[in-house]
Amino acid sequence: NAGVTQTPKFQVLKTGQSMTLQCAQDMNHEYMSWYRQDPGMGLRLIHYSVGAGITDQGEVPNGYNVSRSTTEDFPLRLLSAAPSQTSVYFCASSPTGGRLETQYFGPGTRLLVL
Amino acid sequence: DAKTTQPTSMDCAEGRAANLPCNHSTISGNEYVYWYRQIHSQGPQYIIHGLKNNETNEMASLIITEDRKSSTLILPHATLRDTAVYYCIVRVAYSGAGSYQLTFGKGTKLSVIP
Repeated sequence: NAGVTQTPKFQVLKTGQSMTLQCAQDMNHEYMSWYRQDPGMGLRLIHYSVGAGITDQGEVPNGYNVSRSTTEDFPLRLLSAAPSQTSVYFCASSPTGGRLETQYFGPGTRLLVL
Repeated sequence: DAKTTQPTSMDCAEGRAANLPCNHSTISGNEYVYWYRQIHSQGPQYIIHGLKNNETNEMASLIITEDRKSSTLILPHATLRDTAVYYCIVRVAYSGAGSYQLTFGKGTKLSVIP
């Protein structure tokens, strides 16, 4: 199994540009989520999904959209990038939702918005 | 969720035991102690968790005081690959679909020295 994969690893955007961060998992996990991690701060939940076709907002959802058309994929969209969205983004998946010990993280995407 | 307090940084000689403390004096009766680590530029990795009994797995041991107000993560034979930021998190094990939200503090930066 590849586990949780994220692309791209690095991205530089200009203010106002849009892009999609990709996340995929091959473990047939129902639960997937997106976090952002800023310097000196912990992870903050952006959006999460409890299964295909179902998504919900986390702690910091503004400026981000998600969709979950398949079990495997959970893309995160930035519609109009802002410098405040400069961060490291982690995708995670879990087979039994809510069990922290079974949450697997991807390697992260580093995003710089100029 | 209860707040935690950890030292900012610690050093440990390679091959020796690394003992990482965490204070959680406001922990509630149904809250578990979880430990995660984050190796530079990678996603967080689950290590171990416990409620009130001491726990051990292939990665580490967790010692929780009898009053549950503090705990210690023990890496029995630290290697250079254990150099990472270690996070102590206190929360309920499961509380619904969005409950796998992880709130990390600043953690302890452990440096394993050759």
